[in-house]
Amino acid sequence: SQTIHQWPATLVQPVGSPLSLECTVEGTSNPNLYWYRQAAGRGLQLLFYSVGIGQISSEVPQNLSASRPQDRQFILSSKKLLLSDSGFYLCAWGGSTGVTLKLFFGSGTQLSVL
Amino acid sequence: AQSVAQPEDQVNVAEGNPLTVKCTYSVSGNPYLFWYVQYPNRGLQFLLKYITGDNLVKGSYGFEAEFNKSQTSFHLKKPSALVSDSALYFCAVRSNSGGGADGLTFGKGTHLIIQP
Repeated sequence: SQTIHQWPATLVQPVGSPLSLECTVEGTSNPNLYWYRQAAGRGLQLLFYSVGIGQISSEVPQNLSASRPQDRQFILSSKKLLLSDSGFYLCAWGGSTGVTLKLFFGSGTQLSVL
Repeated sequence: AQSVAQPEDQVNVAEGNPLTVKCTYSVSGNPYLFWYVQYPNRGLQFLLKYITGDNLVKGSYGFEAEFNKSQTSFHLKKPSALVSDSALYFCAVRSNSGGGADGLTFGKGTHLIIQP
């Protein structure tokens, strides 16, 4: 069965420090991968999605970047964090056909930038 | 562009009573519709989806949702609420046109509070 791992669960970082959040998927090949951000426990904003290795689409301009160095690995990064980057970050995987039309979410990373 | 509206920030229901969480959508083409639930500091859990076929969809934990094309709605329902149903609920949509690789568009979420 497919599983998705996201870490760390909680992260506290000073303003101006770098960021690296990692997400890996097991049990499936060539998944579509997604990074969402949820502010203040409410709506989800799509940040990035990827349909394959090295292919990244950005939905909103921001201080963050994403990379997909391997088929089942998706990384969210920043060179210098801002206070406004605080939030709950969710990785997800999905497909485009059949039962994989839905998204499967990781457990999330609570990022606090101080 | 596709969008989802959840008009209620919060819904309060007494335990044992029926509950409804509202959702309306806008999408080009036919919609694929989803409901997710989120417990505090956790990822989203899939509840149910509508792809095609019967307008009444049954999902996890006794939840169901009714697809209404004329009203562009996909309200979440449960006949008898439990205190453990208290959580944040998200409605989401994607279009059946195109590859759909850009994922789901989510509503802002509705806090469901079930009072004992």
